[in-house]
Amino acid sequence: SQQGEEDPQALSIQEGENATMNCSYKTSINNLQWYRQNSGRGLVHLILIRSNEREKHSGRLRVTLDTSKKSSSLLITASRAADTASYFCATGETSGSRLTFGEGTQLTVNP
Amino acid sequence: EAQVTQNPRYLITVTGKKLTVTCSQNMNHEYMSWYRQDPGLGLRQIYYSMNVEVTDKGDVPEGYKVSRKEKRNFPLILESPSPNQTSLYFCASSLSNRPILTDTQYFGPGTRLTVL
Repeated sequence: SQQGEEDPQALSIQEGENATMNCSYKTSINNLQWYRQNSGRGLVHLILIRSNEREKHSGRLRVTLDTSKKSSSLLITASRAADTASYFCATGETSGSRLTFGEGTQLTVNP
Repeated sequence: EAQVTQNPRYLITVTGKKLTVTCSQNMNHEYMSWYRQDPGLGLRQIYYSMNVEVTDKGDVPEGYKVSRKEKRNFPLILESPSPNQTSLYFCASSLSNRPILTDTQYFGPGTRLTVL
């Protein structure tokens, strides 16, 4: 079964607006990672947040983690057309051997 | 250039004809993994390897085999492919064999497989 579930499944915004994607998970985790995938290509790592962290920034990306609610959010500020892609959250089991990916959020940024 | 390579990138085959998808990484990574991606199902892990000669099943291992005889290579073998194995396959690697604790995964470009 899928550990991470993203919400919404699809999001369409205008360039310059902010995009927020959410991820919920079910079990205890060591960390949560966000990846980006351009159509048909391999995933690219964006950011990792550990279970003892609440917020992390990287450029225009801001990730939050609420372990009490078992949820995370990815915020992309001042979006660009080039941000159009699918975004996945991945959770790491406490055993440390596997990442489990959600189904992804398809983000479309219109010029 | 540090990368994960997969071959072939595209493959159309027929039911029952054995095939191998190769995966190679040049980053001296301990951990390697195979995923399949299907619409509406996201990425599902097929097999993973935490080191040479060590492989473990992921979520959907049925119909697949892997081997890890060398650190850099992790081929995916379909002994008797069936149409339900039509999918987009990704190989990935991480530096340590406990990737979720510290490391990100580096993904290959993908192999699109069609089984007729």
